Amino acid sequence: GQSLEQPSEVTAVEGAIVQINCTYQTSGFYGLSWYQQHDGGAPTFLSYNALDGLEETGRFSSFLSRSDSYGYLLLQELQMKDSASYFCAVRSFSYSGAGSYQLTFGKGTKLSVIP
Amino acid sequence: KAGVTQTPRYLIKTRGQQVTLSCSPISGHRSVSWYQQTPGQGLQFLFEYFSETQRNKGNFPGRFSGRQFSNSRSEMNVSTLELGDSALYLCASSLVDTPWEQYFGPGTRLTVT
Repeated sequence: GQSLEQPSEVTAVEGAIVQINCTYQTSGFYGLSWYQQHDGGAPTFLSYNALDGLEETGRFSSFLSRSDSYGYLLLQELQMKDSASYFCAVRSFSYSGAGSYQLTFGKGTKLSVIP
Repeated sequence: KAGVTQTPRYLIKTRGQQVTLSCSPISGHRSVSWYQQTPGQGLQFLFEYFSETQRNKGNFPGRFSGRQFSNSRSEMNVSTLELGDSALYLCASSLVDTPWEQYFGPGTRLTVT
């Protein structure tokens, strides 16, 4: 089976840096995605890592270590609008499907940014 | 470009009934996936369709089914509704080249009483 672990809640101060970790267990691993979801909204794509290393997109960065089955999302210069749930999602080969892939989501980390 | 649309946005049904939810993907997106989101279980994958064929299916009972039409629009059906089916049902579409980048619709909030 597949499993993803991420902290359920994180609190950080406006202007600070926060790191949200994600560890996974899966077979047929291809990559790790991150999504943001505000309360009452739909998830929106943030980043994707297929190879080891850091990917930077503005204030957000995402890191992957395939050997450690570990990744993290780094949010810098936190703003109040960053208060949301953040999901890591593993893209893996689906042995039960027609030779395709599927996206398995973690249960999400609720980030609260405080003044 | 218009985003993913889902109808209806809210639905209240009674146990034992069936329901059909609809999803229109972003123009040009041929892959459509469905997810169930609940506070306790998070986002759980239901199934994925591509070119009118189901490519993948999650661990849900056979009461959950779906289909995709030639214009990539998709529907999912839940028969014999149970209280535990109350959830937000999200549809997501993606391009063939970037399947990890999914664009989600606003969801259909289903309440089963």
